[in-house]
Amino acid sequence: EAGVAQSPRYKIIEKRQSVAFWCNPISGHATLYWYQQILGQGPKLLIQFQNNGVVDDSQLPKDRFSAERLKGVDSTLKIQPAKLEDSAVYLCASSFRRGPYEQYFGPGTRLTVT
Amino acid sequence: SQKIEQNSEALNIQEGKTATLTCNYTNYSPAYLQWYRQDPGRGPVFLLLIRENEKEKRKERLKVTFDTTLKQSLFHITASQPADSATYLCAPSQGGATNKLIFGTGTLLAVQP
Repeated sequence: EAGVAQSPRYKIIEKRQSVAFWCNPISGHATLYWYQQILGQGPKLLIQFQNNGVVDDSQLPKDRFSAERLKGVDSTLKIQPAKLEDSAVYLCASSFRRGPYEQYFGPGTRLTVT
Repeated sequence: SQKIEQNSEALNIQEGKTATLTCNYTNYSPAYLQWYRQDPGRGPVFLLLIRENEKEKRKERLKVTFDTTLKQSLFHITASQPADSATYLCAPSQGGATNKLIFGTGTLLAVQP
C-alpha cells in the first residue's frame, strides 16, 4: 500500500512570497489533515477535511493560509504572504475516516522563510 | 486552556531496560489517546490507541495505560533496543464531531547499547 505523498520535501522562500504544498493521501482515506510542526514541538492541526468538505479549520490563520481538497482526493495548502514565523515542517496525514482511527503521515515539507 | 505535557527532557536508558514515558493533560477530557513515534526528518508513525474505558493496551513490547482520574497516560517499552531511540508523541482526542488530536511536545528517548 502506497503511503501519503507530499511535495516538495524542502522549500526556501523570502518573507512576503507565496508557497504551495501538495498532498496525495492513501487511496480510500476520506479524512485528510494538514499539520504545522515547529521545531521542538508536536504537530498542530491547521485544517481537517472530510472528503472535500472542511471539518475543522479553527487554527488556520485564514488571512494568509488557504487549503483545498478538490474531488476529495489530493489537497494543496498555500501560504500567501509568508512570514518568518511560518518556518516549520508541514505534515499531511490521512485516515480511513473521522474517529478513533490511526492517522498515516507523509514525510512532510520543511519550509524555511528568510 | 487545554494542556498536554510530556517529559521535556530526553530520557536516556540502557538497552534491555524498560522505558516509561509520561503524558499528562489538564483542562481536557479525552475519549481516547494515541501514541506516535517520530524519527528525525520523518512524519509520525502510529503505535497504539487506548480508549477512556480501557485501563491498559499492549502490542508486542509496548504497553500503554490510561488513568482518567490522574489525567495521565504512561507508555512503556520493555526490553528496549537502540532502534527504539526516537521521539514519542502523545495525542489525546475528545472525540466528538472532529475527533481532533492534540499532540504533546514529545519525549526524546535514547537507548544506549
